[in-house]
Amino acid sequence: AQSVAQPEDQVNVAEGNPLTVKCTYSVSGNPYLFWYVQYPNRGLQFLLKYITGDNLVKGSYGFEAEFNKSQTSFHLKKPSALVSDSALYFCAVRRYNAGNNRKLIWGLGTSLAVNP
Amino acid sequence: DAGVTQSPTHLIKTRGQHVTLRCSPISGHKSVSWYQQVLGQGPQFIFQYYEKEERGRGNFPDRFSARQFPNYSSELNVNALLLGDSALYLCASSLVWQTNTEAFFGQGTRLTVV
Repeated sequence: AQSVAQPEDQVNVAEGNPLTVKCTYSVSGNPYLFWYVQYPNRGLQFLLKYITGDNLVKGSYGFEAEFNKSQTSFHLKKPSALVSDSALYFCAVRRYNAGNNRKLIWGLGTSLAVNP
Repeated sequence: DAGVTQSPTHLIKTRGQHVTLRCSPISGHKSVSWYQQVLGQGPQFIFQYYEKEERGRGNFPDRFSARQFPNYSSELNVNALLLGDSALYLCASSLVWQTNTEAFFGQGTRLTVV
């Protein structure tokens, strides 16, 4: 069965410091991995995705993520956090050869708080 | 360009009632998916439609149904509402049905069942 784990419910970081939001996944075959951000009372906004190729993926708003196949991880990173980055972050996976079942499987989310 | 639009944004219904939620995808997008997000949890997949055909269904009871229209807009219908159906309902559209394609989400419909 496919699954996504975000081991931290909440991450706190000071403004200007680097941030990491962790994600591990379990899927048979090759994964397609996604990060989304959700601001209060809003829908989900796409940040970045890993499909194939370079393990370091760059996305919106200065975020990047590193795919590590051996550790089945796809951690989200940003070199210098902003207060405006405070939001709920979701990791999601979709199996490469998903056939007729192409749903995204989501983690439970990590609440990021960036303190001024 | 308009993003994914959902209506209404908020809705209050009584147990046992029926509700219809609407979604207009990004222009040119042919795939629409519906997700339920309960407070404090990640989205749960309900349905996916592509080219007006149901292509995937999540683990939801038959009270939940959906359809996609020729203009690719979509409706999600929920019958015999239960308190547990209270959630944020998200619609997502994507250009095609490929597994490597990201989905773009609307702001959601907040459904409260009392």
